[in-house]
This record gives sequence, C-alpha cells and structure tokens, in this order.
Amino acid sequence: KNQVEQSPQSLIILEGKNCTLQCNYTVSPFSNLRWYKQDTGRGPVSLTIMTFSENTKSNGRYTATLDADTKQSSLHITASQLSDSASYICVVSAMSGYALNFGKGTSLLVTP
Amino acid sequence: NAGVTQTPKFRVLKTGQSMTLLCAQDMNHEYMYWYRQDPGMGLRLIHYSVGEGTTAKGEVPDGYNVSRLKKQNFLLGLESAAPSQTSVYFCASRSGLAGSYEQYFGPGTRLTVT
Repeated sequence: KNQVEQSPQSLIILEGKNCTLQCNYTVSPFSNLRWYKQDTGRGPVSLTIMTFSENTKSNGRYTATLDADTKQSSLHITASQLSDSASYICVVSAMSGYALNFGKGTSLLVTP
Repeated sequence: NAGVTQTPKFRVLKTGQSMTLLCAQDMNHEYMYWYRQDPGMGLRLIHYSVGEGTTAKGEVPDGYNVSRLKKQNFLLGLESAAPSQTSVYFCASRSGLAGSYEQYFGPGTRLTVT
C-alpha cells in the first residue's frame, strides 16, 4: 500500500507562473520528508529535506512546507522556468527501518 | 567526484538470460540501495546494504540477488530474467552519519526483457 499520496498527478503551467504541489502521508512515526526532482531519463535529485521540527525550507525558487500535525507537505515553485519541467517526488521516512516511502510523483510541464 | 554511477545504461535481455548491474559510489557512503521504477508507480526498494559485506531484502526482492563485497560497489543480479523485470533500475547511496538523510541517486539503467 502506498502511504504517500501526491496531487495533482500532472500539471501544465505557463513559464513565469507559480505553482504548488501537494503531498499527504500516513507514514508513522515520522522522521523526515524530502522532495526530489526527476528529469526525464535521469535519477532523482534532492530539493529539500525536512524533519518534524521544520515547517518550511527553501532551495532557490523552491519552497517546501511541512505540517506534521495534518501530515501534509507542499512544494511551491516560484516564477517557473522551462527547466522546471520534470517529475517531483515526495518521499517520507519513518523513524524505524531503512525503507523510504515514495509518492508516485507529480509530472510538471512548463510551457513557453 | 563522480557521485553514483551505474553500468550499463541500457540493456535488452531475452527471457531466462542473466545479467549483473553495477553501482559504484565514490563518496565513502555506508548505505547503498537498489530501486526499480515502473510507470505509474513510485520507486520500490529491491535490496539494500548498510555496510560492506551486508545485504537485506527490500519491498520487491524476488528474482534479484545482490552483493556488497567492496564498500564502494553494490551489484544487482538477475539470474533468470522475466518480462516483469522490465523496468528502470536506480542505485542510491547515503552516508551512515547520524542525522544524514540525503540519498544520492545514480542515472539509472533501463532494462528490457523480451
């Protein structure tokens, strides 16, 4: 069963616009949440990592938020660029074990 | 510093053939992982290793074997390939230091089994 749900499944936006991607999880006990960017044909690359004590973290035009009480996270992309076209994957770790729980990803297409 | 590398990048096998995928990392990381990624699904853990000489099963280990004879290398073997093993395979590694969560992924190996 998938304990990490992402929405929307896909998104198309115009270059220069902002967008927000959502991640809901049921993983418990929570350790950390990561957002990865995966370009087509490439491996995932980390954007942000947040532990339970952090509720926001930025990486350039990417800002992730975390609400550990409601078990929700969002990734906000500001002033989108064509190079932001990729799949964005939410990954949640539990306190115990080594396994990561991967969401299915949101496919973002930025058009001119 | 090459990070995590995988060989080969592409491979086509016939059903029943065997092959080994090689993952190498030059970051002196303790932990290494093998995942598979299929359309419409999140990455799924096949096997992982928490140190040289150790391996453990992940979520979908059937049909695969692994070995970690050297700290920098993690091998994934398919003894008798099946069409269901057609997928993109990613290797990842991370430091064993406390509080270090970052996983670094390789570029992937695209495997087709006919």
